[in-house]
Amino acid sequence: QVQLQQSGAELVKPGSSVKISCKASGYTFTSYDMHWIKQQPGNGLEWIGWIYPGNGNTKYNQKFNGKATLTADKSSSTAYMQLSSLTSEDSAVYFCARGYFDFWGPGTMVTVSS
Amino acid sequence: DIQMTQSPSFLSASVGDRVTINCKASQNINRYLNWYQQKLGEAPKLLIYNANSLQTGIPSRFSGSGSGTDFTLTISSLQPEDVATYFCLQHNSWPYTFGAGTKLELK
Repeated sequence: QVQLQQSGAELVKPGSSVKISCKASGYTFTSYDMHWIKQQPGNGLEWIGWIYPGNGNTKYNQKFNGKATLTADKSSSTAYMQLSSLTSEDSAVYFCARGYFDFWGPGTMVTVSS
Repeated sequence: DIQMTQSPSFLSASVGDRVTINCKASQNINRYLNWYQQKLGEAPKLLIYNANSLQTGIPSRFSGSGSGTDFTLTISSLQPEDVATYFCLQHNSWPYTFGAGTKLELK
């Protein structure tokens, strides 16, 4: 069965970076886009972008250009998202979701605080 | 960006009620509209994809309709386990965008 396993919660300092992971299993990792989505209480859901692990192609929501960097490791079927220059506005739960948005990971909570 | 206007924001209904939730797109998105259910602390669960296709394993009391700019999620007979937040997602045009959500409670 399709599973997306995300890394654990992160508490990080303002100005720093964080890299969160999404390990896929139960399907051919290189055949589906992997999306990343941000969820903040009261701000709803925002699509950050996708990566196609088959060739590394990416597409970003312009709002997250320079904030998020998506990568993928085919050997471990793991997608990554690095968030940089973190501020309190980046505190959120971040989800990965398979290409048709049919399966979602459980989410990774990122808290930015000094 | 395509704006997805979802209504209502809150909904209180009784077990057995027919419930409808709407999403209106600011421009034509054809049928590229998904509906999700999210319970507190959990990942969203896909209910309906491409406006009217029921995801495998989802009870048949859930249905979707619409095309173009106006879409509806219907729960034909509300069950206690349906208490959750529901939201729509348009995947017609980048950047993909979500409705703000409908919180469904039992009356």
